[in-house]
Amino acid sequence: QVQLRESGPGLVRPSETLSLTCSVSRGSIYSYYWTWIRQPPGKGLEWIGYLHHGGTTDYNPSLRGRVTISVDKAKNELFLELTSVTAADTARYFCAVLVIPPTSGKGYYFDSWGLGPLVTVSS
Amino acid sequence: DIQMTQSPSSLSASVGDRVTITCRASRNIGTFLNWYQQKPGEAPKVLLYAASTFPSGVPSRFNGGGSGTDFTLTINGLQPEDSATYFCQQSHSTPWTFGQGTKVEI
Repeated sequence: QVQLRESGPGLVRPSETLSLTCSVSRGSIYSYYWTWIRQPPGKGLEWIGYLHHGGTTDYNPSLRGRVTISVDKAKNELFLELTSVTAADTARYFCAVLVIPPTSGKGYYFDSWGLGPLVTVSS
Repeated sequence: DIQMTQSPSSLSASVGDRVTITCRASRNIGTFLNWYQQKPGEAPKVLLYAASTFPSGVPSRFNGGGSGTDFTLTINGLQPEDSATYFCQQSHSTPWTFGQGTKVEI
C-alpha cells in the first residue's frame, strides 16, 4: 500500500508562508489523486484541497487565494503552500490519497494518510 | 457548504455493547457519506465509504447505513481497540466537509 510522509518546519511566523512536502513511497504520483487535510489541536478535520498529476486542482473556498497544491513528478512528491498564515492556521497537516472507488456512484474517500505533523504559527 | 452534524459528541460504553453514532447532512447527499476512525496521536483511517461499503481490512462489527440526510455508524460487540473518535464526511460536493466527531470511550 502506498505510504506518505509529510515534512517541513514545525514553526512558522505569522504573515509568512507555510510550506510542506509529502513524500510518496510504494506508489507513483501518476496513480492517484492527492489531497491535503488539516486538524487544529483538539478540533475536527478540514479539507484543504486536491490535485491530480495532470494538473486538475480544487481548493476549499475558505482558503482559496492563499493555498497552492503542486507536485514534482520526478521526485514523487506533493507540496502544500499556505500564504499569510495566522494562529488560526495552527494544525496537524495530513496528506492522503483521494480514492475514487472502481464502482461508479460511490463518491470519493481519503486513504493512506500520512502522520500529520503539527505546524504551529507563532512569533 | 454542506454542514455535517454528529451526535452524540461523546459516549461511554462497555466491551460487548452495541453503539450507534448518527450523522446528519444539511442537505441531501444521497449515499456519499464516509466514516473514519481516529485514535489519539494517529491519522484517521477509513471505516466505510458510500455509507455502507467496506474498504478491505475493516472488521465486520462496523456497519453503516442511511441515505439522503441521515446516516448511522453502528459498532456491534464493542472492543477495547474501538476506543477512538469517529468522524463522518460527505463526498457529495466540494468543499468536502466533516462532522465534528464522536469520541467513544470504553
